[in-house]
Amino acid sequence: DTGVSQDPRHKITKRGQNVTFRCDPISEHNRLYWYRQTLGQGPEFLTYFQNEAQLEKSRLLSDRFSAERPKGSFSTLEIQRTEQGDSAMYLCASSPSRNEQFFGPGTRLTVL
Amino acid sequence: GENVEQHPSTLSVQEGDSAVIKCTYSDSASNYFPWYKQELGKRPQLIIDIRSNVGEKKDQRIAVTLNKTAKHFSLHITETQPEDSAVYFCAASGSYQLTFGKGTKLSVIP
Repeated sequence: DTGVSQDPRHKITKRGQNVTFRCDPISEHNRLYWYRQTLGQGPEFLTYFQNEAQLEKSRLLSDRFSAERPKGSFSTLEIQRTEQGDSAMYLCASSPSRNEQFFGPGTRLTVL
Repeated sequence: GENVEQHPSTLSVQEGDSAVIKCTYSDSASNYFPWYKQELGKRPQLIIDIRSNVGEKKDQRIAVTLNKTAKHFSLHITETQPEDSAVYFCAASGSYQLTFGKGTKLSVIP
């Protein structure tokens, strides 16, 4: 499968725990994005990387959230001290150019 | 920032009929408008897109139109089939991030 992959697909955690998600983009894509999607809503932008540089962060990305793309390939999204409001689908997308974005299957986070 | 409104939120059509979903956007700097189809529990799938220098684009049974002056764009699906049933999202972008509408749940009744 040469599409965007994400791991894990599901994560259940207790409030206050830290979680980390991984995204592997399509190999030749240098742009990588993280979005969050809650039930009945469209995806909301969180952050954007071009190669290893994080170029933009949404105000939705509180201090408890951090994202990295250390070698310009895969990316990780960490949430510290999770809260019930963090429960959502976390989607990663990659792009070969300025526009078209191709999404991964997402990681569904449930915070108990 | 950009704001995208999408209507209707739900749409039911008989198999073989056409479906139209409409979106408006607020930022005149937006120049890229994709449409995504999302089936239950699956990833959003890019089905068609249009750029601001084009007024209409067609791909088999799917077409998108764009009116930059009025800041609205629409998705048209002809000869609908049951497998078209899904949630459809419009989005707008001026640089890199996509701003999505809230989605339209399309049900195609056999």
